[in-house]
Amino acid sequence: NAGVTQTPKFQVLKTGQSMTLQCAQDMNHEYMSWYRQDPGMGLRLIHYSVGAGITDQGEVPNGYNVSRSTTEDFPLRLLSAAPSQTSVYFCATFGPSTYEQYFGPGTRLTVT
Amino acid sequence: AQSVTQLGSHVSVSEGALVLLRCNYSSSVPPYLFWYVQYPNQGLQLLLKYTSAATLVKGINGFEAEFKKSETSFHLTKPSAHMSDAAEYFCAVSGLQGNQFYFGTGTSLTVIP
Repeated sequence: NAGVTQTPKFQVLKTGQSMTLQCAQDMNHEYMSWYRQDPGMGLRLIHYSVGAGITDQGEVPNGYNVSRSTTEDFPLRLLSAAPSQTSVYFCATFGPSTYEQYFGPGTRLTVT
Repeated sequence: AQSVTQLGSHVSVSEGALVLLRCNYSSSVPPYLFWYVQYPNQGLQLLLKYTSAATLVKGINGFEAEFKKSETSFHLTKPSAHMSDAAEYFCAVSGLQGNQFYFGTGTSLTVIP
């Protein structure tokens, strides 16, 4: 099992460009989430989904969109990248039987 | 509302010394609590978790944490630091529905040879 996978690992964007960060899981978990990690601020929740077709905003949703058409995939879209979105992005799932969150390896995004 | 405070953004210990990383939580319901470790340029890995069973929880790599309700604390300890313990450590508390996690700001542990 691959667990939680994220692509790409690294990305450099120019201000105003758009892109999609991919997240996929093979654990059949209903709950998935996106976090951003910034120095001194820990992990902050961007968006989350409790199942296919259901998404909701987290703590810092502005500038990001998500959709969830399948259990396996939960892409994060940046519509118009800004330097303030330079960060490391983590996707995670929640395992209801273990009560744990399982994290992907992260995507390091730089917006110039 | 759930929240976590980690005291000390940077902690340095000598190799072989006690490691103590502090975490205090705020929760309106009995919480589930977690410690995660992040090695450089990697994702987060679960160290240990408290889910209302034993108050002293043992995790991987010799770490343990004690849930103290009276002090609203869940401090992480290890009797003897190893160079490989150098990493960022995050404390987290789960939300009311259990699937949303609230993370502390992290503590960077440096181990001095």
